[in-house]
Amino acid sequence: DIQMTQSPSSLSASVGDRVTITCQASQDISNYLNWYQQKPGKAPKLLIYDASNLETGVPSRFSGSGSGTDFTFTISSLQPEDIATYYCQQYDNLPPAFGGGTKVEIK
Amino acid sequence: EVQLVESGGVVVQPGGSLRLSCAASGFTFDDYAMHWVRQAPGKGLEWVSLISWDGGSTYYADSVKGRFTISRDNSKNSLYLQMNSLRAEDTALYYCAKVAGRPTVGAFDIWGQGTMVTVSS
Repeated sequence: DIQMTQSPSSLSASVGDRVTITCQASQDISNYLNWYQQKPGKAPKLLIYDASNLETGVPSRFSGSGSGTDFTFTISSLQPEDIATYYCQQYDNLPPAFGGGTKVEIK
Repeated sequence: EVQLVESGGVVVQPGGSLRLSCAASGFTFDDYAMHWVRQAPGKGLEWVSLISWDGGSTYYADSVKGRFTISRDNSKNSLYLQMNSLRAEDTALYYCAKVAGRPTVGAFDIWGQGTMVTVSS
């Protein structure tokens, strides 16, 4: 099974800061990587699919990049409503697997 | 409105059984593969199971294989998860999720609100 390692597990940043989260796959997954946002008490929401494609309706301050084993998720200018836990997910091989999550807080 | 609504979560004793349901609306249900994903309290997301659009293919996480069975009734726009031999570690919020596009596995673009299963004596 493919393991997904996300880092950091948590971070604190100021409003307006650039925030970067990384996700590393245990083997090459091409670009079969998605990113989700989960706010407290809510279901996850798809933000980025296929490593770098912004889901419809998602603000452009969110972006993703990478391929192979190393991926990056970026919030270009952190907003108060971005407080959430973010997860990466691979679907190159079964079973699909999520990273451990990154909790983003406001400093 | 595209929507998934889960139901069936309760408190059940270890070794017990339970069937979760997920009612779909606002999209052509039988065009899409469906998945179950769970989240233990305070923990991350764990993929559980998938079923193809026609029910012909299913797949399970090792942690539930042999105990859980996924199924669907396209005439009722409904997805199910039969859970047997439940263990304390199955305690979680269970989400159903729709796959974007036609692949069996991909991005989960629609999620339900979740239904809570608690396994406790």
